Amino acid sequence: GAVVSQHPSWVICKSGTSVKIECRSLDFQATTMFWYRQFPKQSLMLMATSNEGSKATYEQGVEKDKFLINHASLTLSTLTVTSAHPEDSSFYICSAGRVAGSYNEQFFGPGTRLTVL
Amino acid sequence: SQQGEEDPQALSIQEGENATMNCSYKTSINNLQWYRQNSGRGLVHLILIRSNEREKHSGRLRVTLDTSKKSSSLLITASRAADTASYFCATGETSGSRLTFGEGTQLTVNP
Repeated sequence: GAVVSQHPSWVICKSGTSVKIECRSLDFQATTMFWYRQFPKQSLMLMATSNEGSKATYEQGVEKDKFLINHASLTLSTLTVTSAHPEDSSFYICSAGRVAGSYNEQFFGPGTRLTVL
Repeated sequence: SQQGEEDPQALSIQEGENATMNCSYKTSINNLQWYRQNSGRGLVHLILIRSNEREKHSGRLRVTLDTSKKSSSLLITASRAADTASYFCATGETSGSRLTFGEGTQLTVNP
């Protein structure tokens, strides 16, 4: 159990276009989902935390108008990179959270590689 | 910002040897987790150790946690070429559900 999927797994787009990435928890309901980005040979940086039915909480330095997050249901969160530019090229990873006793388990998706030309 | 620091940044060993990676953090935590990531892939959860635990084992993995020193170590025994990957520690907050990842250790196990 606890499978998280992401779609697409990779995407190439032209500069100025918008790209939507979906994150789904397939076999459990996730009240919280997290979005990370990872540059080559670097660690994961948390971008935002999204709770179902409410606005996402963005980390310092992350532009909320640039990275739109929608968490419309307990199994789906989407990240839209608006007006993408080459510097937005990165590996985007989502995770879905589930309460397990005294802590929240996070289950990670396989990631989406975004390349902006 | 990342609060976890891992060392070494890169480690190269021969198959059969043990690999030890260390992680330090700055704030109070609820738990500390270790993940593995193969190049260009998602994260694989390896092991979680709670703040009131000192050591945990899972197969060839041994994790220790020293909350007084705010540090943890991951030991992989009898390494295999398939263990080649990046290893990250991540700390779970005492409140909320955020994970903060360390910088990672790139482990290369040579056959």
